[in-house]
Amino acid sequence: GNSVTQMEGPVTLSEEAFLTINCTYTATGYPSLFWYVQYPGEGLQLLLKATKADDKGSNKGFEATYRKETTSFHLEKGSVQVSDSAVYFCALSDLNSGGSNYKLTFGKGTLLTVNP
Amino acid sequence: DAGITQSPRYKITETGRQVTLMCHQTWSHSYMFWYRQDLGHGLRLIYYSAAADITDKGEVPDGYVVSRSKTENFPLTLESATRSQTSVYFCASSEWSDREAGYTFGSGTRLTVV
Repeated sequence: GNSVTQMEGPVTLSEEAFLTINCTYTATGYPSLFWYVQYPGEGLQLLLKATKADDKGSNKGFEATYRKETTSFHLEKGSVQVSDSAVYFCALSDLNSGGSNYKLTFGKGTLLTVNP
Repeated sequence: DAGITQSPRYKITETGRQVTLMCHQTWSHSYMFWYRQDLGHGLRLIYYSAAADITDKGEVPDGYVVSRSKTENFPLTLESATRSQTSVYFCASSEWSDREAGYTFGSGTRLTVV
């Protein structure tokens, strides 16, 4: 079955530091890959996505590249801000699953804290 | 307002009581989902629904009941609440024809069972 493995947190960085959160996956078929962000007290929001190999998703300074050869989708940001403090979830969707089998598989989440 | 709305935002209930968490979406998305979020476990799927009157179990369905008589509503009922069901519950929706868009989540219901 499908699975997503994220690096365990928490991750604590100083403002303007470089961020990498690792994500690897196991999937049948040809999944789409997602990063979601959850700010304190809120629901999850889609941060970025990539739907095929070598695609790069980007949003708000965050980037992730769909690497089929290494089954990875690592999240990166060149210079983090205090406002980036949140929990980040990697997820995959097998678009070839049909009918009632469609659902996302989530990693366990990584808590990021950015200090001023 | 357009979107996905969960109610209540916070709920305290006693062990053994029945409690229903509501979820309403305005997009007519075909798929709806219920997750619970607990420290150390991430998000765990409780139930999901592919369309009105079609529901299926997720990873942790025991102790929960769902129904979906209308496309826009997907209530989750705890038939006899237990302390282990203290959690934050998230509802989400998605459209099969736009599944590359991923899910849209509600703001969550924080449930405490005492």
